[in-house]
Amino acid sequence: KQEVTQIPAALSVPEGENLVLNCSFTDSAIYNLQWFRQDPGKGLTSLLLIQSSQREQTSGRLNASLDKSSGRSTLYIAASQPGDSATYLCAVRPRGSEKLVFGKGTKLTVNP
Amino acid sequence: GAVVSQHPSWVICKSGTSVKIECRSLDFQATTMFWYRQFPKQSLMLMATSNEGSKATYEQGVEKDKFLINHASLTLSTLTVTSAHPEDSSFYICSALGDRARVNQPQHFGDGTRLSIL
Repeated sequence: KQEVTQIPAALSVPEGENLVLNCSFTDSAIYNLQWFRQDPGKGLTSLLLIQSSQREQTSGRLNASLDKSSGRSTLYIAASQPGDSATYLCAVRPRGSEKLVFGKGTKLTVNP
Repeated sequence: GAVVSQHPSWVICKSGTSVKIECRSLDFQATTMFWYRQFPKQSLMLMATSNEGSKATYEQGVEKDKFLINHASLTLSTLTVTSAHPEDSSFYICSALGDRARVNQPQHFGDGTRLSIL
């Protein structure tokens, strides 16, 4: 059974810092891995999707990497801003399934 | 980008009432929609998978008669919480997938519905 773990559960940083969020998964048989952002009381916003054949994806200040063999992904946020404060969720789509398996998320607080 | 609209965003009602939540894909056709439940400070729990024109597939432990799902068109799925009780109070989120055969397309999520049963 696929399990997704995110570390740390919470992170607080000063504005301007570069930071890394971690995600690990137990079964490498996946189609892709997605990173989402969730603001309080809101739904999920898709940030990046990395296909199983890819190593990384970039969007603006965000860079996500994928090491499928070791079951790990990182989300790198450059020059963090208070507006980046949110919960970041990692999810994998297992092979043979249309469902996503989510981690519990990392709550990020960027202090001005 | 793809947009999923969920309505209502917040509903408060009395115990015993049935509540319907709508999930619409606004600019694409969704062959598959998912319904999730989220408890405070926890991750999403998948309740059911809804494919257009067929019966929903429920996850283990989710009561089919309690949470009725209809996916009658390629742009609309509804979740009806029947005879709602306080323990059904939660945050419900839907997501949509355009073509489940295309494995590397992202799921698009609605903004969620906060359900409070008094």
